[in-house]
Amino acid sequence: KAGVTQTPRYLIKTRGQQVTLSCSPISGHRSVSWYQQTPGQGLQFLFEYFSETQRNKGNFPGRFSGRQFSNSRSEMNVSTLELGDSALYLCASSPGRGTGQETQYFGPGTRLLVL
Amino acid sequence: QQQVKQSPQSLIVQKGGISIINCAYENTAFDYFPWYQQFPGKGPALLIAIRPDVSEKKEGRFTISFNKSAKQFSLHIMDSQPGDSATYFCAASMGIFNKFYFGSGTKLNVKP
Repeated sequence: KAGVTQTPRYLIKTRGQQVTLSCSPISGHRSVSWYQQTPGQGLQFLFEYFSETQRNKGNFPGRFSGRQFSNSRSEMNVSTLELGDSALYLCASSPGRGTGQETQYFGPGTRLLVL
Repeated sequence: QQQVKQSPQSLIVQKGGISIINCAYENTAFDYFPWYQQFPGKGPALLIAIRPDVSEKKEGRFTISFNKSAKQFSLHIMDSQPGDSATYFCAASMGIFNKFYFGSGTKLNVKP
């Protein structure tokens, strides 16, 4: 099976712009989670989508949003970019059987740099 | 508030030695504790995981020790190899949802 893919891999934006990142989960996986990884804050949970519904949300401002499509592909959007949004954004997929103890398979991430 | 605290931040071990990374948590509702390994330029990959109803789990050279009363768990890498040099993250989750709280990471360097 192909792994989790994320596009684009690298992105440079300026403050105030918005950005959309894309994630294609492993075939058959219905749960997609997004994480922000920075040297200072580590890995922080953004949100999880399951069957096109946001099931969980982390402590991030409303500028961070996401959605999931019927084929389980997911996008996350960050509006009004700030310098502090520079980070590696990771997507993880899992089967979504509802056990809460599923292996999460991470993609390689999208490196976002905000200037 | 950091839900999962990890130490040390970095670790240097000689080839063949034992690498030990520790994590502590506060929320007793956590019921699943995975460890992830991350190489530069890659996403984290699951290494081994444990539930609180067992005190130890071993998979090859990797062992998780779990102390429920102390709310601590640790990763032991036996016979450490240069190929183990990576960043290791502990994590915790609760309930039926995939919301994971990660530790701050430990950068392991195994010297040949």
